[in-house]
Amino acid sequence: GAGVSQSPSNKVTEKGKDVELRCDPISGHTALYWYRQSLGQGLEFLIYFQGNSAPDKSGLPSDRFSAERTGGSVSTLTIQRTQQEDSAVYLCASSLLAGGGGELFFGEGSRLTVL
Amino acid sequence: SQQGEEDPQALSIQEGENATMNCSYKTSINNLQWYRQNSGRGLVHLILIRSNEREKHSGRLRVTLDTSKKSSSLLITASRAADTASYFCATDAGETSGSRLTFGEGTQLTVNP
Repeated sequence: GAGVSQSPSNKVTEKGKDVELRCDPISGHTALYWYRQSLGQGLEFLIYFQGNSAPDKSGLPSDRFSAERTGGSVSTLTIQRTQQEDSAVYLCASSLLAGGGGELFFGEGSRLTVL
Repeated sequence: SQQGEEDPQALSIQEGENATMNCSYKTSINNLQWYRQNSGRGLVHLILIRSNEREKHSGRLRVTLDTSKKSSSLLITASRAADTASYFCATDAGETSGSRLTFGEGTQLTVNP
């Protein structure tokens, strides 16, 4: 596709359930980021994949959060045993260049609501 | 903690006026970027300025960078109602290559027609 694609666009789940959020980056982009944004707030860094290097997981808020990137392309963010405070918009971005040297292309986000 | 902090948090101006938003950061950087976010949408890249640059222009946008003060400003000239959005600065941590981008809390700009 032409841009970064995220699915689902909206997800409502019950507390305690697991959710998976998917990101399809732009083809050929080596870097992929996940951020979380609460209403009216800035972006909270979660995890960063760069090529074949070990991912930077330093932003994951708890061990309930995990992410993988298969074949250097599609990424899945998994939240286990969701809590109400996990409610937010989860944004994925990809970049042709690693680190801060390249422009990030963002998806439209996955809005998660935990009841 | 956030690497970048924007100020003001909110700015309301009339169409045609200029809008200036500021970003301060804590550690050394390689690059600083500005992004725009319309309500309920993803972020869109506006401009990237490298640590060895002091000023950069793109259309009605002017970005300055002062590495001695660890600050940057984004100026939008002749604002339009369509410029209403949140604006974020993003920085990398300069001590390592390939480091992640960290975003500030953003400035909510409202341009009144």
